[in-house]
Amino acid sequence: AAGVIQSPRHLIKEKRETATLKCYPIPRHDTVYWYQQGPGQDPQFLISFYEKMQSDKGSIPDRFSAQQFSDYHSELNMSSLELGDSALYFCASSSSGGVRFFGPGTRLTVL
Amino acid sequence: GQQVMQIPQYQHVQEGEDFTTYCNSSTTLSNIQWYKQRPGGHPVFLIQLVKSGEVKKQKRLTFQFGEAKKNSSLHITATQTTDVGTYFCASTETSGSRLTFGEGTQLTVNP
Repeated sequence: AAGVIQSPRHLIKEKRETATLKCYPIPRHDTVYWYQQGPGQDPQFLISFYEKMQSDKGSIPDRFSAQQFSDYHSELNMSSLELGDSALYFCASSSSGGVRFFGPGTRLTVL
Repeated sequence: GQQVMQIPQYQHVQEGEDFTTYCNSSTTLSNIQWYKQRPGGHPVFLIQLVKSGEVKKQKRLTFQFGEAKKNSSLHITATQTTDVGTYFCASTETSGSRLTFGEGTQLTVNP
């Protein structure tokens, strides 16, 4: 069965650079969620989209923005990167608010 | 927003021993979900409980939802090395809303 796809899997950036993470949800899933997970931490909700419209916003810094496109893939744009942004970023998708299926994550390292 | 507290943070067991992790909330939960995250992996959905007093079993795993819908537990009988990982409880306020995770219990199993 198709799963959530995230790219890239690993990303290394310098401070103050920008990064774009991509997420391709499971086909026919209508909701995409973004989570940030620091080392030894639980995943923290950032933002979600339902049918391409922002549906909820969590602890997402103003330096970050996200959108969902007509093909349902989503991108998380991160600017002015800081050392503290180093984390695992997970995308998840669901159908009608049901079970969340998580992607493999993007490991972002900011040097 | 709702908060779910999870204990213990860490649990080390010998293979064959039982393991239990607990989640507690100060407010009534609409549902409780359990996820497992292997080291270096992503959260994987295990089960969802929605009814007061609900008990569900998956092989050696037993999940319970309290009568007041404020607490939940995951019990693993006769742990195996394949059970290693972090177990998270999580909950949504309403269907489709953000999934809020507990802090997780990191389980290590000594062979």
